[in-house]
Amino acid sequence: EDKVVQSPLSLVVHEGDTVTLNCSYEVTNFRSLLWYKQEKKAPTFLFMLTSSGIEKKSGRLSSILDKKELFSILNITATQTGDSAVYLCAEGTYKYIFGTGTRLKVLA
Amino acid sequence: NAGVTQTPKFQVLKTGQSMTLQCAQDMNHNSMYWYRQDPGMGLRLIYYSASEGTTDKGEVPNGYNVSRLNKREFSLRLESAAPSQTSVYFCASSERGSGYGYTFGSGTRLTVV
Repeated sequence: EDKVVQSPLSLVVHEGDTVTLNCSYEVTNFRSLLWYKQEKKAPTFLFMLTSSGIEKKSGRLSSILDKKELFSILNITATQTGDSAVYLCAEGTYKYIFGTGTRLKVLA
Repeated sequence: NAGVTQTPKFQVLKTGQSMTLQCAQDMNHNSMYWYRQDPGMGLRLIYYSASEGTTDKGEVPNGYNVSRLNKREFSLRLESAAPSQTSVYFCASSERGSGYGYTFGSGTRLTVV
């Protein structure tokens, strides 16, 4: 059975800290890995990583994919209170399996 | 710039009642999905429609039915609601190969008492 596991389940940091969120996957046939940010409502898309695109960066957020070790990490540098959210990762192509998420709280 | 629109946003049902959750997208995506999100369980796929005219079961389809009315609309029906169906329901759409994964609706919080 394919599955996606995220760690830690929750994390509390102070503004300015750097955080690393982990996502490991066990799937029969890897397709792509996505990261989403979920605040109060719908998840919003952050990154897609594939075999041809194993590193992505946008501002203070970056993500890498390690296809050999079957995991991805999401890094957030210089965290702000607005980064507080649940971060979800998912594996698949047109149909995705989601992890349970990491709840990040950034304290002022 | 609506994206994916879900209605209603909130609903309370009594056990045994039926209801339909509506979803419409204006991005001309071929694929649409219904997920439920429960604490500690993440997002779980209920049903999906890879293209207009097709629907398939996901991970947790029991107690639900779907209709892909046309390319824009994908509805989810609970025929006889049960307390175990209390959840937040998300509709999503995507276009394979777009590089952007899903676009989600804002969710429906359903409580079955």
